[in-house]
Amino acid sequence: ETGVTQSPTHLIKTRGQQVTLRCSSQSGHNTVSWYQQALGQGPQFIFQYYREEENGRGNFPPRFSGLQFPNYSSELNVNALELDDSALYLCASSLGSYTEAFFGQGTRLTVV
Amino acid sequence: GESVGLHLPTLSVQEGDNSIINCAYSNSASDYFIWYKQESGKGPQFIIDIRSNMDKRQGQRVTVLLNKTVKHLSLQIAATQPGDSAVYFCAETNTGGFKTIFGAGTRLFVKA
Repeated sequence: ETGVTQSPTHLIKTRGQQVTLRCSSQSGHNTVSWYQQALGQGPQFIFQYYREEENGRGNFPPRFSGLQFPNYSSELNVNALELDDSALYLCASSLGSYTEAFFGQGTRLTVV
Repeated sequence: GESVGLHLPTLSVQEGDNSIINCAYSNSASDYFIWYKQESGKGPQFIIDIRSNMDKRQGQRVTVLLNKTVKHLSLQIAATQPGDSAVYFCAETNTGGFKTIFGAGTRLFVKA
């Protein structure tokens, strides 16, 4: 079991609402990446944070935004929720790039 | 666009046999490759990784082979066990290590 924890585990939101998902990285890990995993598919990279700065982004619109805090925990914010945003959201922490990434169990978001 | 794909969506093997899961990647500039295992209800779990300057890397019961000429990656699991049943993803990371792309996954069934 990894030291990466995500909250909440499940969430139901209405279309148009905003949501904040949280991730506590493994101790000492300064890099956090967020992924969206639709049912039956592989995780899709949203963005990566390194020492509180976004240093990489996938093909997601600006309504997906994030933060990383001095303790390296992180948030994913999604505005103007759409039905297609329903998915499992995963965060992964690592000690920099090219090193083993540890995933949390994810937050299951359902948009109705 | 960038993509990481898998040849076989499902693989069924007998307990004790060796398993081989294949993956094709499209970005020749990727320089870091990872195999993940994902069990139902859990986040992906790191299995093994390989840098682009290597052809082969071995772990405990697992071996990853990288063929850069044909942009092919494979995961070999020796003496497959029921606990190996899961979905396996290959992933590639771009130069700089700030963007990781996952494939769609292969489901491995191990028959007792």
